[in-house]
Amino acid sequence: GQNIDQPTEMTATEGAIVQINCTYQTSGFNGLFWYQQHAGEAPTFLSYNVLDGLEEKGRFSSFLSRSKGYSYLLLKELQMKDSASYLCAVTYSGNTGKLIFGQGTTLQVKP
Amino acid sequence: EADIYQTPRYLVIGTGKKITLECSQTMGHDKMYWYQQDPGMELHLIHYSYGVNSTEKGDLSSESTVSRIRTEHFPLTLESARPSHTSQYLCASSEPGTGGKTDTQYFGPGTRLTVL
Repeated sequence: GQNIDQPTEMTATEGAIVQINCTYQTSGFNGLFWYQQHAGEAPTFLSYNVLDGLEEKGRFSSFLSRSKGYSYLLLKELQMKDSASYLCAVTYSGNTGKLIFGQGTTLQVKP
Repeated sequence: EADIYQTPRYLVIGTGKKITLECSQTMGHDKMYWYQQDPGMELHLIHYSYGVNSTEKGDLSSESTVSRIRTEHFPLTLESARPSHTSQYLCASSEPGTGGKTDTQYFGPGTRLTVL
């Protein structure tokens, strides 16, 4: 299979920085997406990584290491509205665009 | 970003009823997808389409069927709903990637289905 592993839950304090990790099987890896999903709502696209390194987009950054099968999503200056599930999803060559999702990490931001 | 719509947003029906969940997108995307998601669980792909008259089953077996007669429309049908079909159904469409990048999928708001 192509197990996508993320921590189930995380808690952080408003204003802090939190890192959400994701590991995946490297064979046939194509690219990795991060989505944010608030409770009862649809996932919204955050970032896409295909090459090694850090992609920064405002308060959110995403990192990828293709050789290690590892990615993380970094959230800075946490706000209460960042409380949500963060989904790691991977595409593999031959899957022609299909996404394989992890279970998601539920982040709770506390005052 | 895609404008993608799903109706109804919430549906409660009795066992044995036939239902159709609607999904439409206005961006002319060729690829469309249906996912099923139970609370606190990952999304599972149940159907996808690469264009008009193209439909494929996804990674999770589903008793639902889909059709793709028009580019913008990708409805999902359950001929006889059962309590085991209770779940959230998410529709997505994707724009082609550029510069060697893969497609990015954008999701509709979802339909929360409850079968009594």
